[in-house]
Amino acid sequence: NAGVTQTPKFQVLKTGQSMTLQCAQDMNHEYMSWYRQDPGMGLRLIHYSVGAGITDQGEVPNGYNVSRSTTEDFPLRLLSAAPSQTSVYFCASSHGTGQQETQYFGPGTRLLVL
Amino acid sequence: AQSVAQPEDQVNVAEGNPLTVKCTYSVSGNPYLFWYVQYPNRGLQFLLKYITGDNLVKGSYGFEAEFNKSQTSFHLKKPSALVSDSALYFCAVRDELDSNYQLIWGAGTKLIIKP
Repeated sequence: NAGVTQTPKFQVLKTGQSMTLQCAQDMNHEYMSWYRQDPGMGLRLIHYSVGAGITDQGEVPNGYNVSRSTTEDFPLRLLSAAPSQTSVYFCASSHGTGQQETQYFGPGTRLLVL
Repeated sequence: AQSVAQPEDQVNVAEGNPLTVKCTYSVSGNPYLFWYVQYPNRGLQFLLKYITGDNLVKGSYGFEAEFNKSQTSFHLKKPSALVSDSALYFCAVRDELDSNYQLIWGAGTKLIIKP
């Protein structure tokens, strides 16, 4: 299994540009999520999905859209990039709850917005 | 409201000494508690979790954590630190009553093990 994969690894955008961060998992996990990591702030949840066709907002959803058309893929779209969106973005997936609950993280996408 | 606190930004330990990374939490129901580790320029890796059962949980790389309900704590420990344990450690909690699996994360503690 490849686990959770993310592309690209690094991206530079100009203010106002749009882009899509890709995330895919091959573990048949129902739950997928997007986080951003900023220095001294830990991880903050942007959006999450509990299954194909179902998405919901997390703590910091503004400026981002998601969709979940398949179990495997969960892309994150930046509609109009702003410097405040400069961050490292992590996608994660998990299967089940309780004893089975463990999140698996992708390697991250480092985004710089100029 | 759910919250997690990691009171130390950085912990310094000499190689071979025991280490402790602290975590306290606040939830309405029963907590699901997790520790993750992040090495430089890498994603987070799962270390261990407490869901139910024994208060002492053993995880990867020789780490363990003790769930203390009265002190609402879940401190990460290791009897003998290695230089390779140097990394960023995150504690996370989810309320058992939260059906949407949302984890609340601490700000992270940088662990530095000196030779």
